[in-house]
Amino acid sequence: EMQLVESGGGLVQPGGSLRLSCGASGFTFSNYWMYWVRQAPGKGLVWVSRMSTDGTITSYADSVKGRFTISRDNTKNTLYLQMNSLRVEDTAVYYCAREMGAATPGYWGQGTLVTVSS
Amino acid sequence: QSALTQPPSASGSPGQSVTISCTGTSSDVGGYNYVSWYQQYPGKAPKLMIFEVSKRPSGVPDRFSASKSGNTASLTVSGLQAEDEADYYCSSYTGSNRLVFGGGTRLTVL
Repeated sequence: EMQLVESGGGLVQPGGSLRLSCGASGFTFSNYWMYWVRQAPGKGLVWVSRMSTDGTITSYADSVKGRFTISRDNTKNTLYLQMNSLRVEDTAVYYCAREMGAATPGYWGQGTLVTVSS
Repeated sequence: QSALTQPPSASGSPGQSVTISCTGTSSDVGGYNYVSWYQQYPGKAPKLMIFEVSKRPSGVPDRFSASKSGNTASLTVSGLQAEDEADYYCSSYTGSNRLVFGGGTRLTVL
């Protein structure tokens, strides 16, 4: 059974850093583009980042560009999101997702909550 | 990149059909056949219902259908059931490996 499990969320002060992880199982991780999508409390979904199968192609939403870095370790079947210079407005549940079809986050993890507050 | 435009709410009675729109621009919805729709229950992860404009993943009921015309995509839920009450989001590829989501529509089954 395909599974994505996010971890690493928590409470951090503004300006701080956090690294999220997304462990994958039940499919060949190295064959799929991967995504991070976030959802602030009571708000809608917002695309954050996308990475190619081999990690050579990455893209970011303007709101996180220069502060967040997506990466992956295909030997560990794990996707990462390094988040630096965190702001209050980065508070959200962060979901990782596997591509299905073209340019489509198809399978989603359960999410991990990041709270940025002093 | 501005969010795609969805109506905040939609509603229908059991057995009826309801259509939710998703309006973008020629740089996203109108420019690519990579529009997706998601269903989300409170406190749960989104579930993919439609991808590549009108394709249904395995397991999604055929009561859910979708299409696109110009810069507007649409999701239609036919034969509404109580379990269809949820938030629905559209998304589109915008080029340069980027995506954009709509603001979401809360579907209420009356």
